[in-house]
Amino acid sequence: IAGITQAPTSQILAAGRRMTLRCTQDMRHNAMYWYRQDLGLGLRLIHYSNTAGTTGKGEVPDGYSVSRANTDDFPLTLASAVPSQTSVYFCASSDAASGGPDTQYFGPGTRLTVL
Amino acid sequence: AQSVTQLDSQVPVFEEAPVELRCNYSSSVSVYLFWYVQYPNQGLQLLLKYLSGSTLVKGINGFEAEFNKSQTSFPLRKPSVHISDTAEYFCAVRESSASKIIFGSGTRLSIRP
Repeated sequence: IAGITQAPTSQILAAGRRMTLRCTQDMRHNAMYWYRQDLGLGLRLIHYSNTAGTTGKGEVPDGYSVSRANTDDFPLTLASAVPSQTSVYFCASSDAASGGPDTQYFGPGTRLTVL
Repeated sequence: AQSVTQLDSQVPVFEEAPVELRCNYSSSVSVYLFWYVQYPNQGLQLLLKYLSGSTLVKGINGFEAEFNKSQTSFPLRKPSVHISDTAEYFCAVRESSASKIIFGSGTRLSIRP
């Protein structure tokens, strides 16, 4: 069982370019989340999805968009990357049958550098 | 609004020494509290959680935390650390009326031999 996979592992991107970070889970969890992790700031929620077909905004949604066409996939798109989006991005999932919303399972992360 | 503060960004300790990582929260309603651990180059994983009942919560790898409502704190403790405990530790809070967890800024625990 892979759990949550994220791709790419790392990426260097020119400012202004469009980029999609991929996230796939095989646990059939209903809820999925995208966080960014920055030194001294911890994890901040970007977007979330409580179930397939629905999405919501977190603390820092500006400049990002998500979609949830099915249960397994939750891609995060940067429409026009800016240097302040340089960060480590984590995808996570949770489910009522696996500990509820407080027990989140995290992917390995994507390190994104925007130049 | 809920918030969580981790006062120490880094905590160095010697192997087999005890450790306490501080965590304070702010909320006007009842809360649920959590500690997550992030080992190098990995995602976070849940270490322990307090939802209700006994204020002393035991987690994986010998860690425990104690909810103190009067001091609005939830310190993480371990009586004897090992090199393998080297990681970043995140305290998190969720108000009982909220649906999202708020994470602290993290404390990097470094173990010296």
